[in-house]
Amino acid sequence: QKEVEQDPGPLSVPEGAIVSLNCTYSNSAFQYFMWYRQYSRKGPELLMYTYSSGNKEDGRFTAQVDKSSKYISLFIRDSQPSDSATYLCAIPGKYNFNKFYFGSGTKLNVKP
Amino acid sequence: DAGVIQSPRHEVTEMGQEVTLRCKPISGHDYLFWYRQTMMRGLELLIYFNNNVPIDDSGMPEDRFSAKMPNASFSTLKIQPSEPRDSAVYFCASSSSGTGAGGNQPQHFGDGTRLSIL
Repeated sequence: QKEVEQDPGPLSVPEGAIVSLNCTYSNSAFQYFMWYRQYSRKGPELLMYTYSSGNKEDGRFTAQVDKSSKYISLFIRDSQPSDSATYLCAIPGKYNFNKFYFGSGTKLNVKP
Repeated sequence: DAGVIQSPRHEVTEMGQEVTLRCKPISGHDYLFWYRQTMMRGLELLIYFNNNVPIDDSGMPEDRFSAKMPNASFSTLKIQPSEPRDSAVYFCASSSSGTGAGGNQPQHFGDGTRLSIL
């Protein structure tokens, strides 16, 4: 079983839609959770960073962690064509926090 | 502030040739990571350094791959001899050990080197 699983998509939505991106993970000891955004032919860039359970909001983006279900989500409100990218979840290891477990990435296309 | 800088951005070479990828981390960061990204396998950690010392190279696929960090501002990843299956995008990332969030500091990525081995 992989440490982090992510639906690869692709996901295609109309502009203005609410987008939900999800990952599941296997180790209940994980505490920190990150979302990276990767535009085509660019490196991943940090989008959101959360600790433990609950929600964190930043503008149109909300990161949610449900530790009981080992499930993390990224919601994008009022999606824009500029949000079209691949979104990767990333979880630092419990004992070696420099070793990140990355999801495979979900490719999102927001149509104008 | 300058981010992580990688060179070259693209490299096309023939099988059997030596390939050297270069990385300049963000100034002040003490961790440096090399990743490989492919459609099939996603992002794979190859090796990482702390204070220029290799800490974990368990992701290096085989002896044809080697990495060095001679100083805090420069690292290389070398493939010799290269093979077509090495074709991928290679990313360098850096992070700071920091003091907050229990040491879990985000990694900052360069824009990668797109490597094609013919």
